[in-house]
Amino acid sequence: DTGVSQDPRHKITKRGQNVTFRCDPISEHNRLYWYRQTLGQGPEFLTYFQNEAQLEKSRLLSDRFSAERPKGSFSTLEIQRTEQGDSAMYLCASSFGGQGEQYFGPGTRLTVT
Amino acid sequence: AQTVTQSQPEMSVQEAETVTLSCTYDTSESDYYLFWYKQPPSRQMILVIRQEAYKQQNATENRFSVNFQKAAKSFSLKISDSQLGDAAMYFCAKCRDTPLVFGKGTRLSVIA
Repeated sequence: DTGVSQDPRHKITKRGQNVTFRCDPISEHNRLYWYRQTLGQGPEFLTYFQNEAQLEKSRLLSDRFSAERPKGSFSTLEIQRTEQGDSAMYLCASSFGGQGEQYFGPGTRLTVT
Repeated sequence: AQTVTQSQPEMSVQEAETVTLSCTYDTSESDYYLFWYKQPPSRQMILVIRQEAYKQQNATENRFSVNFQKAAKSFSLKISDSQLGDAAMYFCAKCRDTPLVFGKGTRLSVIA
């Protein structure tokens, strides 16, 4: 068990470009969550999956954001036409069921210039 | 919307002493789960301790314990025998078969 992994760890992009992040959860976990964390704040929920089904999306997730978990394993989060306000740490977490502890990955730090 | 409030943006403690971090939350549910997570500088979030709301007994994990007051909707974290490695941001969080709702965090400094 290698824990939750995320790739890349850091991404610098120019405003207007598209970016895609990947998350690999703990293998036996059926739930996968995406959060966004800005400096000095707690993580804020973006979206989550149970297996391959996307069960909930936050109002924070604008139309420019899309997430997938095609085979119920890894997940991708894409941001189209990035804006400076998208600069943040994007965290992925996984759990077994809804009451299980969520285990976090190291995050992807996005900087939009 | 459910909220989790951490009223102490920063705290400090002398090494080997005890410190308590506060957390209150808003909910209409009777069954839910509460967590304390630790986020060291530039490192990933790790779970410190978990409390099920239906359990009256306060959770304990080695030097970490909680004081769970369900009626008051209060969930404080006590760190005993503080160590330099305890320095981090601490986040209180709540869920019930839903994504976690986090507080804004408390930055804990440990003074040698």
